Amino acid sequence: QVQLQESGPGLVKPSGTLSLTCAVSGGSISSSNWWSWVRQPPGKGLEWIGEIYHSGSTNYNPSLKSRVTISVDKSKNQFSLKLSSVTAADTAVYYCARDGGSLSPAPGGLDYWGQGTLVTVSS
Amino acid sequence: DIVMTQTPLSSPVTLGQPASISCRSSQSLVHSDGNTYLSWLQQRPGQPPRLLIYKISNRFSGVPDRFSGSGAGTDFTLKISRVEAEDVGVYYCTQATQFPRTFGQGTKVEIK
Repeated sequence: QVQLQESGPGLVKPSGTLSLTCAVSGGSISSSNWWSWVRQPPGKGLEWIGEIYHSGSTNYNPSLKSRVTISVDKSKNQFSLKLSSVTAADTAVYYCARDGGSLSPAPGGLDYWGQGTLVTVSS
Repeated sequence: DIVMTQTPLSSPVTLGQPASISCRSSQSLVHSDGNTYLSWLQQRPGQPPRLLIYKISNRFSGVPDRFSGSGAGTDFTLKISRVEAEDVGVYYCTQATQFPRTFGQGTKVEIK
């Protein structure tokens, strides 16, 4: 059973950089899947941030692209998110998730999720 | 971006009765590879989302068969044949046919 766990600071100052890591267990990050970040502001819906493949290829949401960097560390079986120049609007629960590739059990589906971590942007 | 519109936004249901959620996309979700990457997620209170249905109508592992998905092109439906107490939560449709992935606003299912 694949498990994902987010970690990182729960409080970031305005104009700072939000940094989170997602540790993958029970499966290899080098499998034929993409690995995504999704966020959810308190009481609101879901927003896709971006994704990475184990090769390092990335896709980002254009609405955040200028501020987002997603990277992968295959040796540690984990991937990371950096979001720069944050404001209060970036306050949200941040989830990492596996995005089923064409060879996965659920192509196109976000089939495994972390528990999420709340990041608050405040001085 | 493809806009996903769900109706209703709230659905009070009696236990044991059916529930239905509609999801409409602003463009066809048929991918150039012939597949339609429309899936449904369930988010119980205080929990992360959970995959229920992928590629319109395929139940993910462990999902009860009272959940079913249907549709084509731009119109899709999630049905719960008999609502149970554990089905309370918010349901989202999402498309992965075109970047960026987008989600519907969510439909809250609650017990009357």
